Order: sequence, then structure tokens, then C-alpha cells
Amino acid sequence: GAGVSQSPSNKVTEKGKDVELRCDPISGHTALYWYRQRLGQGLEFLIYFQGNSAPDKSGLPSDRFSAERTGESVSTLTIQRTQQEDSAVYLCASSNPGLLYTGELFFGEGSRLTVL
Amino acid sequence: RKEVEQDPGPFNVPEGATVAFNCTYSNSASQSFFWYRQDCRKEPKLLMSVYSSGNEDGRFTAQLNRASQYISLLIRDSKLSDSATYLCVVILNSGYSTLTFGKGTMLLVSP
Repeated sequence: GAGVSQSPSNKVTEKGKDVELRCDPISGHTALYWYRQRLGQGLEFLIYFQGNSAPDKSGLPSDRFSAERTGESVSTLTIQRTQQEDSAVYLCASSNPGLLYTGELFFGEGSRLTVL
Repeated sequence: RKEVEQDPGPFNVPEGATVAFNCTYSNSASQSFFWYRQDCRKEPKLLMSVYSSGNEDGRFTAQLNRASQYISLLIRDSKLSDSATYLCVVILNSGYSTLTFGKGTMLLVSP
């Protein structure tokens, strides 16, 4: 498809399990962002990729969170030993190099994670 | 002080009303400013850019005041379909584009 694709759209897991969330950005978009949005809250920045490198990981809340990107395309966000406070919608977004001027991030529909 | 601050609302207005939201930002080196819209349980989408001279897009007008470090969004003749959360976005170019989102202002337009 033409947009940002995320999977799974919904994930219910038990506390302590690991989860992987996947993002397929728009083809040709070099920048990729992960955000977290808890229910009724704003967007919380997690990590930014330029190509396959992550110059800004400052938003990752703990060492249980990691992310990688390969082929300047697909990105995976991994949460180890999930906790109930990890429950949120995880949003991925991509953009082209003109972001500073266009301001346009293209978001996926998100992966809704529920930790029981 | 938070980097980008918005009144969370909700702003409850009748159809046809004019409503305005403000957003303040703390980093004076911020370079670009935008408004996004997020519908309930949907992803955010770009609404409009904010230029120093002010800009309009139909019923929507955006303004930037660099001296006071705030941006505003004015919606005229509100429609039911304008009900959403409006997110203020500030971009700082620190070698790459760092986007900071405000927590959003909720607008509810009623018949």
C-alpha cells in the first residue's frame, strides 16, 4: 500500500512476555519515528531513525525497549518483559527529507498493546 | 517548563461558533511550526503549517508570534466534523528534525 503500515494492529499479552511491533514506512522515506500514546494522553517520542541509524534514542523509557531498522525500510520495536504501564498505542511515522519545511509526518494506524 | 504546552480543553462550542487555541513553546531556536489533527482513536494528520506572517486555509487561520513564543489556531464557522484533538507541533533542527508534539486541545462541536 501507499501508506505507513503497522502490525499487529492489536496485541494482548501477559505481563513479563516480550512483544515485537513492526512498521513498514512509505517507500523512499528515510526518516522513521516511533511514538507512544497512552489512553487520553499526548504523543511520547521514543526513537528516531535516519536510514538504519538511530541518532536519537532519548525517548526509550527503559532498557527493556529497543528498536532496529534494516534496509532503510522496515523497523521493529521490541519490548522485553512487558509491564502493565507499557499498555498504549505505539505509533510509527515516516517522512522525507523535507520534513523541516513541510512538517508532514505520515503516521501508521498504530499497534494497540494491552498488557494484562 | 514543558517544551510545548497546550490547554487540554475540552472546548465545547456550538456549530457555527468561532474558536481559538493557543500553544506555547519554550525553545526560542524552534524553527518550524505546525498544527495536526487527531480524531478519536485515529492517527494524527497534518492540518496546516504556521508561517510568521500568518496563513489561512479555508475556515482555519494559523498565527505565529516568535517574540512571545506562541502559535494559535482559529477555526471559524465550526462544523460537527471539526470535533477532534488539535496538536501543536514544533520542529527544532538540531542536525536532524526533532519534532515535539503538544498534548493536544480537544474540541467538541455540538449541534
